[in-house]
Amino acid sequence: EVHLVESGGGLVQPGGSLRVSCAASGFTFSDHYMDWVRQAPGKGLEWVGRTRKKVNGYTTEYAASVKGRFTISRDDSKNSLYLQMNSLKTEDTAVYYCARVTVVGGHYYMDVWGKGTTVTVSS
Amino acid sequence: DIQMTQSPSSLSASVGDRVTITCRASQGINNYLVWFQQKPGKAPKSLIYAASSLQSGVPSKFSGSGSGTDFTLTISSLQPEDFATYYCQQYNSYPITFGQGTRLEIK
Repeated sequence: EVHLVESGGGLVQPGGSLRVSCAASGFTFSDHYMDWVRQAPGKGLEWVGRTRKKVNGYTTEYAASVKGRFTISRDDSKNSLYLQMNSLKTEDTAVYYCARVTVVGGHYYMDVWGKGTTVTVSS
Repeated sequence: DIQMTQSPSSLSASVGDRVTITCRASQGINNYLVWFQQKPGKAPKSLIYAASSLQSGVPSKFSGSGSGTDFTLTISSLQPEDFATYYCQQYNSYPITFGQGTRLEIK
């Protein structure tokens, strides 16, 4: 069964840093692009960014709101995805989800999600 | 950025009803659209991709249609487990963007 499990969330002060992780199992992790999506308390879903796979050079895409502050990386040998968050702001407070991207007929969409990890930025 | 606008923002319906949720893109996205269902405290679940293709394991009571800028999600014969928040999302171009969500409540 496909599983994604996020970890590493917690309380951090504004301006601080935090790295959250996502452990994948039940599928060939290296074959998939992977995304991060967040959801602020009581709000909707916001895409954070994407990492492509090795054959695509592990290239990344980011939302404007996090570009330059957040970095997505992956370790295919550990079936793990990471989100390094620097210069955190109070508005980064959210549940952070990792999601697998699957491809069907040229359609790259998020088909499996983890349960999320909560990041709270507060003094 | 492509803006995704859902209507209505909230909807009350009864068990057994058929409901339709609309999603409009600020520019054409072909059929690069997915619908998600999210229940309180849970992760989103994909229902429909490519605007009208049913995700594996999702019951056929869910259906999607549309292309270009206007899309719909229809849920037939509502059951208690269908009351949730529904989001559309475009993946035609970066940044990927979501609609604001439609909260489906029991009348």
